[in-house]
Amino acid sequence: NAGVTQTPKFRILKIGQSMTLQCTQDMNHNYMYWYRQDPGMGLKLIYYSVGAGITDKGEVPNGYNVSRSTTEDFPLRLELAAPSQTSVYFCASSPSGGGPATDTQYFGPGTRLTVL
Amino acid sequence: AQSVTQLDSQVPVFEEAPVELRCNYSSSVSVYLFWYVQYPNQGLQLLLKYLSGSTLVKGINGFEAEFNKSQTSFHLRKPSVHISDTAEYFCAVNQYSGAGSYQLTFGKGTKLSVIP
Repeated sequence: NAGVTQTPKFRILKIGQSMTLQCTQDMNHNYMYWYRQDPGMGLKLIYYSVGAGITDKGEVPNGYNVSRSTTEDFPLRLELAAPSQTSVYFCASSPSGGGPATDTQYFGPGTRLTVL
Repeated sequence: AQSVTQLDSQVPVFEEAPVELRCNYSSSVSVYLFWYVQYPNQGLQLLLKYLSGSTLVKGINGFEAEFNKSQTSFHLRKPSVHISDTAEYFCAVNQYSGAGSYQLTFGKGTKLSVIP
């Protein structure tokens, strides 16, 4: 049981390039989330999904896109990378068995992205 | 909208001394409160959560937190810290975002440094 896995661990992009951050969970969780973490700012929600085929925007969705074709995978797409997207990105999942209000979220190890 | 304030960005403490990390939230409705810990270069993991019932919540690694509704606080405490407790600690509140979904709102984090 690997939990939540993220690839790559590190990436450097040039302005205007695009990339996909991969996230996979093997816990059969319905809910999945993407956050970004900037120094001294805590975590901000980018997008989330309540199940395969269903996604919705979080607090800071601009410049990102997501899809959820399977329960396990929730990739995050950056189309035109900008320096403001330099951050650490975390994927998380939760079971929602007890209701999403009370769920524990399980986090991946993160992807450190630098846009130059 | 709910918000979370962590009053101290950094807390240095000597090994085996007690520590309190402060967290205040703003909400006019029932809340679900969480503390997560992030060890260096890792993702977040749950320390403890308050859902209902007893206001004193015990978590992993000897941490506990007390929910105080009148003061809208959820402070985290440990009576004797170890070097291994050096990490960043995040307080979070679950916020209803519509259509049966909830979003975690995080504080900006408190970096705990345990000094030998």
